[in-house]
Amino acid sequence: GAGVSQSPSNKVTEKGKDVELRCDPISGHTALYWYRQSLGQGLEFLIYFQGNSAPDKSGLPSDRFSAERTGGSVSTLTIQRTQQEDSAVYLCASSASGPGANVLTFGAGSRLTVL
Amino acid sequence: AQKITQTQPGMFVQEKEAVTLDCTYDTSDQSYGLFWYKQPSSGEMIFLIYQGSYDEQNATEGRYSLNFQKARKSANLVISASQLGDSAMYFCAMREENTGFQKLVFGTGTRLLVSP
Repeated sequence: GAGVSQSPSNKVTEKGKDVELRCDPISGHTALYWYRQSLGQGLEFLIYFQGNSAPDKSGLPSDRFSAERTGGSVSTLTIQRTQQEDSAVYLCASSASGPGANVLTFGAGSRLTVL
Repeated sequence: AQKITQTQPGMFVQEKEAVTLDCTYDTSDQSYGLFWYKQPSSGEMIFLIYQGSYDEQNATEGRYSLNFQKARKSANLVISASQLGDSAMYFCAMREENTGFQKLVFGTGTRLLVSP
């Protein structure tokens, strides 16, 4: 696609429920990232996928968070048993390899509110 | 641990004037990369400019320039000839080169408001 697409744009859920957030990166971009932006804060790295390699999960805050990337394209971030502190905007980004690797193209984000 | 500090929560500038957004960083690494991203109200982060720690020249991209002072560990963004569309949040970020990918550490951002 022309840009990074994320869905849903907004999600309100009750504490304890599971949620799935979807990211469709730019076609041909081999790298995919998830970041989290809490209110009034900068972005926090969560996870990184590169091609078919094992993902770097070093930023995931707890084992309730997981992500997968199917077929080297679409990614899903899953949060199990959501807590109120999970409320944030979850941003997905992708980048090309080679000279374009410095530039992350972000989606508009999925705003998650846990009641 | 790496850290990015943006001490200006908000800045105001008049249209057509220049503005400097401050950024200082802390790292023990010799090789690293510095970035500025813009986040308009739509929420998308937009890449503006990149500076490598070994680059001798300050990076420039159109109206954006990065005032890189390595000894002071500062990487201020200068926007020349401000436009109304420059009103947004601006984030400074750093990447350690040895991570091999865009694992960025972000500052808390500066909100810029450009007035007519």
